[in-house]
Amino acid sequence: DIVMTQSPDSLAVSLGERATINCKSSQSVLYSSNNKNYLAWYQQKPGQPPKLLIYWASTRESGVPDRFSGSGSGTDFTLTISSLQAEDVAVYYCQQYYITPSITFGQGTRLEIK
Amino acid sequence: EVQLVETGGGLIQPGGSLRLSCAASGFTVSSSYMNWVRQAPGKGLEWVSLIYSGGSGGSTYYADSVKGRFTISRDNSKNTLYLQMNSLRAEDTAVYYCARALGVHGSGSSGYYYYYYMDVWGKGTTVTVSS
Repeated sequence: DIVMTQSPDSLAVSLGERATINCKSSQSVLYSSNNKNYLAWYQQKPGQPPKLLIYWASTRESGVPDRFSGSGSGTDFTLTISSLQAEDVAVYYCQQYYITPSITFGQGTRLEIK
Repeated sequence: EVQLVETGGGLIQPGGSLRLSCAASGFTVSSSYMNWVRQAPGKGLEWVSLIYSGGSGGSTYYADSVKGRFTISRDNSKNTLYLQMNSLRAEDTAVYYCARALGVHGSGSSGYYYYYYMDVWGKGTTVTVSS
């Protein structure tokens, strides 16, 4: 299985500031035949199911605010929230789908307001 | 509106069985790839099982931790996904989510697979395994 490691485990950011969450995979999730990174990001608010934010490492899901962006390639990826809003308080997970069907998730990063 | 609603969770003794249901609306389960994902209390997300769409053969896959004990299936007439869980253990205690898988087909190291993320999730149903 591919091990996904997120950093930091938690972070606190001031409202309106940038938040950056990192995700590293134990092997590359870049599929050479189509040059796509098989990585997704989810947001999970307390008491709610996960919500898809980003797929193919950088494609924003419909309806997701454009302050959320994904970047990276190969083994290193970043989720950036350009200007933190109060409603962004949540746990964020990355997920690889390069090895399937045994997809794996990162351990999660808890984002709070400073 | 696309929606998934899980039911069937509860308190069950170790060694017992439970069947979870996931009723879909707004799309057809039979033509979709569907997953179960679980989340132990205070923990992260763990993939449990996947069923391919009927048009792609309906293959089923399981995490090693549940293989031989859990069975994923669907009832097309009810547009519902199921997870039959047998020989339950304390470590199966979790919120169980059903989720629609979306992605692409492609060739892997040992076959042709579906590479997927999850775009629609249910609210989850809680399973507690305890004596």
